[in-house]
Amino acid sequence: GAVVSQHPSWVICKSGTSVKIECRSLDFQATTMFWYRQFPKQSLMLMATSNEGSKATYEQGVEKDKFLINHASLTLSTLTVTSAHPEDSSFYICSARDEAGSLYGYTFGSGTRLTVV
Amino acid sequence: GDSVTQMEGPVTLSEEAFLTINCTYTATGYPSLFWYVQYPGEGLQLLLKATKADDKGSNKGFEATYRKETTSFHLEKGSVQVSDSAVYFCALSPPNTGFQKLVFGTGTRLLVSP
Repeated sequence: GAVVSQHPSWVICKSGTSVKIECRSLDFQATTMFWYRQFPKQSLMLMATSNEGSKATYEQGVEKDKFLINHASLTLSTLTVTSAHPEDSSFYICSARDEAGSLYGYTFGSGTRLTVV
Repeated sequence: GDSVTQMEGPVTLSEEAFLTINCTYTATGYPSLFWYVQYPGEGLQLLLKATKADDKGSNKGFEATYRKETTSFHLEKGSVQVSDSAVYFCALSPPNTGFQKLVFGTGTRLLVSP
């Protein structure tokens, strides 16, 4: 079945540095990828939707300049947390939808736990 | 706006016990409804889905029925196993987004002991 690989699974970084998280669809082409953020004991919150070759669409309240999303190919999307601060510490999860655009074709990565110290 | 409310966990059960995880939703129109499961160290996996009122989704012994009148989509399983221990997320996809997005509940951790 469809597999989405997310890397790294966890990362610790210093305040003020930037961190890049990769999301790859391994055996299918993903025209659309989604980035979520999850705080402890809270829902997954959609941060942005990225479409291959175009700018990401950010949800209300998500800072575009802090969370840079790039979807340069049909198999790779990246989320870069710029100038990270402790409040950016969270669990980030990506998902990808296959090229057919099936309603049920959402495949999730295993998530990245970011800790900013 | 659209939202999903599910019971807080953890839910702790003995093997072969009956499971119910409650989920209610708020949405405009008729959303599609989903249950996702996340096993330790893995990504979310679609467990089952329902797209219209009175539909019953089922998979791996789990069932959930789309109840429009009570805006609910409770997850049930007649006899849980230790291997069912995971976090379960209820989610909806709003029709006013063209079913493009997913709105999740907070997740419910299930712990099954032998």
